[in-house]
Amino acid sequence: DIQMTQSPSSVSAYVGDRVTITCRASRGIRNYLVWFQQQPGKAPKSLIYAASSLQSGVPSRFSGSGSGTDFTLTISSLQPEDFATYYCQQYDAYPWTFGQGTKVEIK
Amino acid sequence: EVHLLESGGGLVQPGGSLRLSCAASGFTFTTYAMTWVRQAPGKGLEWVSLLYSGGSSTFYADSVKGRFTISRDDSKNTLYLQMNSLRVEDTAVYYCAKEGYDSTGYAYIDYWGQGTLVTVSS
Repeated sequence: DIQMTQSPSSVSAYVGDRVTITCRASRGIRNYLVWFQQQPGKAPKSLIYAASSLQSGVPSRFSGSGSGTDFTLTISSLQPEDFATYYCQQYDAYPWTFGQGTKVEIK
Repeated sequence: EVHLLESGGGLVQPGGSLRLSCAASGFTFTTYAMTWVRQAPGKGLEWVSLLYSGGSSTFYADSVKGRFTISRDDSKNTLYLQMNSLRVEDTAVYYCAKEGYDSTGYAYIDYWGQGTLVTVSS
């Protein structure tokens, strides 16, 4: 199985800060990566697919990059509603696997 | 607007069975693959199973293979997950999710339901 490792596990930031989250795959997954946001007590929401394509309706302050084994999710200017847990997930091979999550907290 | 509504969760004893349903609306259900993902209390997300359109192909996580069965009724726009031989470690919120297709034709999760809680306990 492909292991997905996110870093950091948590990050504290101010509203308006730029935040970057990293996701590393245990082997190359081309660009078959999605990013999800999960606010407390809610279902996940899809943000980015194919590593860098913005899901419809997602604000442009979210962006993704990377290919192969190393990927990043960047929030250019953190907003109050962005405080949540973020997950990456590979869809290159079954079983699909998720990263362990990165919690973005208010500083 | 895509809408996915799960039902069928509840409390069940170890070794018991449960069938989850996911009623879909707002898109052409027959065209899309569908997925189940679960989340144990306080834990991360775990992919469970996927079923392609037409019921042509199914995939399962090793942790549920042989115990869970994914199926769909396209006439009812409904996805199912039959869960047998349930274990305490199957306790989780189970999410139904719709697949989109990227430019290469690979399926990825684009919409999620709100989830239904399954508790396996004696």
